[in-house]
Amino acid sequence: QVQLVQSGAEVKKSGASVKVSCKASGYGFNGYYMHWVRQAPGQGLEWMGRINCNSGGTNYAQKFQGRFTLTRDTSIDTAYMELSRLTSDDTAVYYCARDHPSSVATFDSWGQGTLVSVSS
Amino acid sequence: DIQMTQSPSSLSASVGDRVTITCRASQSISTSLNWYQQKPGKAPKLLIYAASTLQSGVPSRFSGSGSGTDFTLTIGSLQPEDFATYYCQQNFNTPRTFGQGTKVEIK
Repeated sequence: QVQLVQSGAEVKKSGASVKVSCKASGYGFNGYYMHWVRQAPGQGLEWMGRINCNSGGTNYAQKFQGRFTLTRDTSIDTAYMELSRLTSDDTAVYYCARDHPSSVATFDSWGQGTLVSVSS
Repeated sequence: DIQMTQSPSSLSASVGDRVTITCRASQSISTSLNWYQQKPGKAPKLLIYAASTLQSGVPSRFSGSGSGTDFTLTIGSLQPEDFATYYCQQNFNTPRTFGQGTKVEIK
């Protein structure tokens, strides 16, 4: 079965960067986009961007342009997100989510989430 | 960006009730609308995609309808495991945007 396993919780200082991994299994990693969605404490869901796990091509939400980078390593079926110049507003749970095979930008499988806490 | 507005923000209902949640888009999105369920401390779960297609494994008491700007998620007979927060999401264009959520609580 499809499984996405994310790296553990992170605590960072303002101004630092964080890198979160998402290890995929149970399907052909190269054949899908991987998206990243975040959720601030008690808040709703916010789409951040996506990566084509085959070509490495990316699309980012304008809000995060310039400090958000998605990469992948096809040799180990793992996607990564890196967010730099962190502020307290970046405190959130970050999720990776796979594209549905029949519906673009429909998230049919999710990682368990990674809490990133940013303190000043 | 396309704004997605859900109503109500929260509701109280009893087991067995029929529950309807509405999602409105700020512009026409055809049927590019998905619904997710999220329980506390858990990742969201896809329920409905393309406005009305039930995701594999999701109980048939969940249904979706609508097109253009107005959409509805219906739970035919609320079960104890359905108490959760529900989100709509448009996949018509980028950035993909979500509604603010509707929390379904026990009456």
